[in-house]
Amino acid sequence: KNQVEQSPQSLIILEGKNCTLQCNYTVSPFSNLRWYKQDTGRGPVSLTIMTFSENTKSNGRYTATLDADTKQSSLHITASQLSDSASYICVVSRGGSQGNLIFGKGTKLSVKP
Amino acid sequence: NAGVTQTPKFQVLKTGQSMTLQCAQDMNHNSMYWYRQDPGMGLRLIYYSASEGTTDKGEVPNGYNVSRLNKREFSLRLESAAPSQTSVYFCASKGGGTGGYTFGSGTRLTVV
Repeated sequence: KNQVEQSPQSLIILEGKNCTLQCNYTVSPFSNLRWYKQDTGRGPVSLTIMTFSENTKSNGRYTATLDADTKQSSLHITASQLSDSASYICVVSRGGSQGNLIFGKGTKLSVKP
Repeated sequence: NAGVTQTPKFQVLKTGQSMTLQCAQDMNHNSMYWYRQDPGMGLRLIYYSASEGTTDKGEVPNGYNVSRLNKREFSLRLESAAPSQTSVYFCASKGGGTGGYTFGSGTRLTVV
């Protein structure tokens, strides 16, 4: 079954600290993996996209990693800010026909002052 | 650029009523999608349109219909709303290749 599992479900950290969010997937065939940030009451916004051959991709303070062998990805946030408080969603795209995105349930991150 | 615009942002319906959710994109994307997001679940695909003039069912199409009016607009219709359709609905569009998906800001629908 095609699934994307994220952990932890929720996380609270202090401003300025780093954190790492995890994503495990069982999706076949694999095309690419995306991380999205979703602020409360808003639509998801893309942070990174990685294909099979890419191990690391950065977008400012966000760094995503991908291990296609173990089917794991992580999103590392450096020097967190209050504005990082949001849900972070891991999305795996299946190869083949359109519309084949498998969404994780997200990790809800709260950054406290 | 406005990106993906959804209307309305909020709606309350009575069971059995009908309504249409509107979505428009100004990025000249070929593909457009409708998702629903429920608490504790990942986004689920309702319908999608790979190009103007085509539509296909996604994972949860029952109770919905769609229209790809032109390249810019993709509407979602609930013919007879049910409480199980209470959800947040997101429209998205995608450019070619591995381009990212752009999401609208959502429509929060409550069916009572």
